Amino acid sequence: DQQVKQNSPSLSVQEGRISILNCDYTNSMFDYFLWYKKYPAEGPTFLISISSIKDKNEDGRFTVFLNKSAKHLSLHIVPSQPGDSAVYFCAAAETGANSKLTFGKGITLSVRP
Amino acid sequence: NAGVMQNPRHLVRRRGQEARLRCSPMKGHSHVYWYRQLPEEGLKFMVYLQKENIIDESGMPKERFSAEFPKEGPSILRIQQVVRGDSAAYFCASSPSGTVQPQHFGDGTRLSIL
Repeated sequence: DQQVKQNSPSLSVQEGRISILNCDYTNSMFDYFLWYKKYPAEGPTFLISISSIKDKNEDGRFTVFLNKSAKHLSLHIVPSQPGDSAVYFCAAAETGANSKLTFGKGITLSVRP
Repeated sequence: NAGVMQNPRHLVRRRGQEARLRCSPMKGHSHVYWYRQLPEEGLKFMVYLQKENIIDESGMPKERFSAEFPKEGPSILRIQQVVRGDSAAYFCASSPSGTVQPQHFGDGTRLSIL
């Protein structure tokens, strides 16, 4: 049972354009969401998070949007840079449930120069 | 990923042998999480430990797998009598407390079973 879904396995965008990575979840108890970036042979690196009391969080080029009614979140990267090419994982957690993270399968982002 | 140290980075075992994976959390972090990533999959939670305590092991296979986080030293994930299906990347993460917050990951141990 995939509680966090990243339905698009890959995305390719031109340098300078916006990258939009989508994530859906099914567990209505999730109230904290994170995005991680991962390069090959490395561990995931935390990018940005959002609590369910917000619908938007911004950090530099990265913005995460949360639509609770649709159980959907998205990560916007603008402008996209070649160094952003990596696998992006969406993760979710339930406050008070031992903070374990439930991950999606990831999206491979390629930013073309 | 500086801070959370995992070793070895690569481990090769034959079927039936034991595998021991080590994780030293970031300085000041007393909460450790283990995740497993199978090929083409996301990371799957295995176990959450505090010093000398297992808090949540709901993701651990019921047999052959065990984890500990002693008062002194690293956290250990132990897999006994390994099988081919245990081949995966095993990641450790740490956080300063058990509240929901970003976890910081190590670079993982790639376990290969011959």
